[in-house]
Amino acid sequence: GIQVEQSPPDLILQEGANSTLRCNFSDSVNNLQWFHQNPWGQLINLFYIPSGTKQNGRLSATTVATERYSLLYISSSQTTDSGVYFCAVGGAGTASKLTFGTGTRLQVTL
Amino acid sequence: DVKVTQSSRYLVKRTGEKVFLECVQDMDHENMFWYRQDPGLGLRLIYFSYDVKMKEKGDIPEGYSVSREKKERFSLILESASTNQTSMYLCASRPDRGEFSGANVLTFGAGSRLTVL
Repeated sequence: GIQVEQSPPDLILQEGANSTLRCNFSDSVNNLQWFHQNPWGQLINLFYIPSGTKQNGRLSATTVATERYSLLYISSSQTTDSGVYFCAVGGAGTASKLTFGTGTRLQVTL
Repeated sequence: DVKVTQSSRYLVKRTGEKVFLECVQDMDHENMFWYRQDPGLGLRLIYFSYDVKMKEKGDIPEGYSVSREKKERFSLILESASTNQTSMYLCASRPDRGEFSGANVLTFGAGSRLTVL
């Protein structure tokens, strides 16, 4: 199956700093999503982005499918950005099955 | 907003007990899922369902079963709980069984943390 690697595994930022999270995947995909899990465990979909670039407020994401990676950018980080960020991918024909990475744990401090 | 509700936030069970984890969604979603989350392993798919009384195995179905008697409810069953099933269990749903898209993404419940002693 597809392998998904996320980096860095852990990240500590001061409030206001910018960061880039990376997701590498081992095979072509037709589905890539970014999720945020808050410190209480709630997972929320941030982006559906199998290719191209999207922005939502201070967050943006870029997927370069031909080179098998995706980047999540967080600008002007806030303490509410803390939590774990997951990348999840699916290949052609995998329908409902997503393969999740192991996540990047982000802590934003004052 | 879609709401996915998991019945228990924290459970403590003993080895060998039968455990039911319940999940209910309120937006008539067709597709429902059970994942488990473990440190260093991310989320792994246990089972999913396309419709009432239909189920499909995920990547780690061993030791689990599921039930979907009504469209809005998807139950995960541990017939005989074991200590290696101590984990966070996450239920999710999405509108339909087709390809993922911007409008057809997962909505997760808050999770159920199960400890098996």
